[in-house]
Amino acid sequence: EDQVTQSPEALRLQEGESSSLNCSYTVSGLRGLFWYRQDPGKGPEFLFTLYSAGEEKEKERLKATLTKKESFLHITAPKPEDSATYLCAVQGHTGTASKLTFGTGTRLQVTL
Amino acid sequence: EAQVTQNPRYLITVTGKKLTVTCSQNMNHEYMSWYRQDPGLGLRQIYYSMNVEVTDKGDVPEGYKVSRKEKRNFPLILESPSPNQTSLYFCASSLWRGGDTDTQYFGPGTRLTVL
Repeated sequence: EDQVTQSPEALRLQEGESSSLNCSYTVSGLRGLFWYRQDPGKGPEFLFTLYSAGEEKEKERLKATLTKKESFLHITAPKPEDSATYLCAVQGHTGTASKLTFGTGTRLQVTL
Repeated sequence: EAQVTQNPRYLITVTGKKLTVTCSQNMNHEYMSWYRQDPGLGLRQIYYSMNVEVTDKGDVPEGYKVSRKEKRNFPLILESPSPNQTSLYFCASSLWRGGDTDTQYFGPGTRLTVL
């Protein structure tokens, strides 16, 4: 069974204080690892898809990296508007390819 | 604008009163799915559909029904809601590429309370 564990559960940063969020996963054949951002009361907003170990993707202050066991979401010089819950999900070969298995998220708060 | 829409956004109902939550997408996606999100449990898949008239169970299908009669619509039906179905529900859609889903795009959510 595919599993995703995200850490920390919550993270409080000051504006400009860079940090990383972790997503550890076990999956039977990785088809894709996805990062989403979710604001309170809203639907998850797609950020990145990573397909193979060593792959990296960047968008503004965010950079996602992937190894065979985990993914990191690096946040450089965060701003208050980066405050949100960040979700990681994997799509594996187990069962059908239609399934996404989500972690419970990291709740990020960026203060002035 | 490409989007997934859900209605209603908020619903308070009573045990046993049948309800339907609608989901519609305008991206011509083959694949659609329903998730529920509960504190500490993350997003869990309820049902999914790979195309019109093709649906299958996800991880937590008990107490739910779905139908896919048109490509753009994928309603979620609770025939006899119970309080343990109080949750935040999301519909998602994506392309279906030869056995794989592409990136899934989510609707804004429906907050359901069953008294």
